[in-house]
Amino acid sequence: TQLLEQSPQFLSIQEGENLTVYCNSSSVFSSLQWYRQEPGEGPVLLVTVVTGGEVKKLKRLTFQFGDARKDSSLHITAAQPGDTGLYLCAGVGSPNSGYALNFGKGTSLLVTP
Amino acid sequence: DSGVTQTPKHLITATGQRVTLRCSPRSGDLSVYWYQQSLDQGLQFLIQYYNGEERAKGNILERFSAQQFPDLHSELNLSSLELGDSALYFCASSVATSVPGWDTDTQYFGPGTRLTVL
Repeated sequence: TQLLEQSPQFLSIQEGENLTVYCNSSSVFSSLQWYRQEPGEGPVLLVTVVTGGEVKKLKRLTFQFGDARKDSSLHITAAQPGDTGLYLCAGVGSPNSGYALNFGKGTSLLVTP
Repeated sequence: DSGVTQTPKHLITATGQRVTLRCSPRSGDLSVYWYQQSLDQGLQFLIQYYNGEERAKGNILERFSAQQFPDLHSELNLSSLELGDSALYFCASSVATSVPGWDTDTQYFGPGTRLTVL
């Protein structure tokens, strides 16, 4: 199993601040996904990054895949209370693994008004 | 709403017991994945079924088993339950066509079943 480490584990910020969370691995991933999970619900896919160095934007969220495809980051600009949740990165497994997802333990974000 | 349904939402049982968790995938999705989420281990892949057949296995204990039925719903059976089995269990579904090659089609997660073993 390829290990994905996320940092920080917890982040508490005020509305309007910027933040970055990180996802690191010693292994290369063919693609990596970011999910957001809210209490009492399942994870919801935010983005998939495939190419080394790729940058994707989703409104105030910017996702980057490292050049070596071993790490990724998620940057949120001007955070809002609605951004509160658990952010999970996941490496997509091989076809032999049925493309099963290998998740990091997540970053729990709290944005207060 | 992801379109994936899971029942029951909550389950409380005692050590040594056996329980069955049920998952109905999104309409048209052939593939079902089961994941376990606990505070110490995070979200871990257990097992995948595709069109009724087991396709991949992850960190699934021998006390756990699953199956996918002809109508594509899936059940996860947990037996000889231990305190450490208390967790959230998620089912996810995807189209997962049989076309070979890299296919990062989206997995849609259900709302989960919270299992508490006392």
